[in-house]
Amino acid sequence: AQRVTQPEKLLSVFKGAPVELKCNYSYSGSPELFWYVQYSRQRLQLLLRHISRESIKGFTADLNKGETSFHLKKPFAQEEDSAMYYCALKGGGSNYKLTFGKGTLLTVNP
Amino acid sequence: EAGVAQSPRYKIIEKRQSVAFWCNPISGHATLYWYQQILGQGPKLLIQFQNNGVVDDSQLPKDRFSAERLKGVDSTLKIQPAKLEDSAVYLCASSPSLAGSPLHFGNGTRLTVT
Repeated sequence: AQRVTQPEKLLSVFKGAPVELKCNYSYSGSPELFWYVQYSRQRLQLLLRHISRESIKGFTADLNKGETSFHLKKPFAQEEDSAMYYCALKGGGSNYKLTFGKGTLLTVNP
Repeated sequence: EAGVAQSPRYKIIEKRQSVAFWCNPISGHATLYWYQQILGQGPKLLIQFQNNGVVDDSQLPKDRFSAERLKGVDSTLKIQPAKLEDSAVYLCASSPSLAGSPLHFGNGTRLTVT
């Protein structure tokens, strides 16, 4: 079975402060990890994926297989980063099922 | 490219009534997904199609939910009869292939069952 845990439902920081959204996963094989974001009144969209190893909008995430984590980080938060963030895991096998965590609502205060 | 289209955007029905949602994926995307997102939770996969075949429907409540993708393009999700706990946003997503990423989501249909 595959499971994604986001321990924080809410996270509030001030503009310019560092931000870290936590994600832990459970999966027996080699997973593919993603972060999806949903801004107010917009559809759910991909933010980044671990195999790309790229920075999107200043966000980075590193897959730590030892700790089974894929935390999302940004050194200096901006007000426009306020959104709902979902960590997701895609397993292998026959269906490549994508499982989401419950999400973390990030609020960046001015 | 045109995104994933869903209709209706909102639907209010009484319990025990029936409802249907429609999804048009991105052109050429072979894989189509229906997710249920209850308020305060992450999206939960209901059913996954590869072309017109079902790949995964393990979390679909088959006594009341059904879905089809007859021609491997558009898809409909039906609930009959609806229960109060079915109130949620129903999201459709598509991707180029099973292993292909990422998923592209529609705006969703917000269902309220009273």
